[in-house]
Amino acid sequence: KAGVTQTPRYLIKTRGQQVTLSCSPISGHRSVSWYQQTPGQGLQFLFEYFSETQRNKGNFPGRFSGRQFSNSRSEMNVSTLELGDSALYLCASSSLQGKGYTFGSGTRLTVV
Amino acid sequence: QQQVKQSPQSLIVQKGGISIINCAYENTAFDYFPWYQQFPGKGPALLIAIRPDVSEKKEGRFTISFNKSAKQFSLHIMDSQPGDSATYFCAASKDRAGSYQLTFGKGTKLSVIP
Repeated sequence: KAGVTQTPRYLIKTRGQQVTLSCSPISGHRSVSWYQQTPGQGLQFLFEYFSETQRNKGNFPGRFSGRQFSNSRSEMNVSTLELGDSALYLCASSSLQGKGYTFGSGTRLTVV
Repeated sequence: QQQVKQSPQSLIVQKGGISIINCAYENTAFDYFPWYQQFPGKGPALLIAIRPDVSEKKEGRFTISFNKSAKQFSLHIMDSQPGDSATYFCAASKDRAGSYQLTFGKGTKLSVIP
């Protein structure tokens, strides 16, 4: 069974640009969540999508947005990038059976 | 602010020893407490999780102890091995039919020396 796939693995962007990250969940998982991981703040919840609807949202500015498609694949977008957005962005998927998340390996975003 | 406080920040244990990592939470609505293991360059991997209706859960060498009244839980790694060297995160969430919004601790970097 394939795991959670995130693309690309690495990205370098310039301050002020926008970026889109992609996540393919485990087959059959309909819930997809996104987390930001930085050395200073640790792992922080961004948002969760289920059946194409945002179900939960963390405490991040509106520059961070996401969406989910009918095949459960998800994308997150960050507009007007700031240096502080440099982080590892992790996608996680889960089923409805209470067995927790499976995380992908993440996308390492560097803003210069 | 819903927080999960994790200690210690780093831990060095001899091979064969017991590694113990502690976490404390504030929000009494949390009802799902997982532990994750993360190796460099990888995403966190679920190790073991507990719900507040039990005080202890064991899976292989990994045990979670849970103290609901103290709002604390801990991870014990028995017979620690060099391959266990990784960063460990505790987390807490409400569990609503597979919907989670995990609040993570800051992590513990474990080094197991031969």
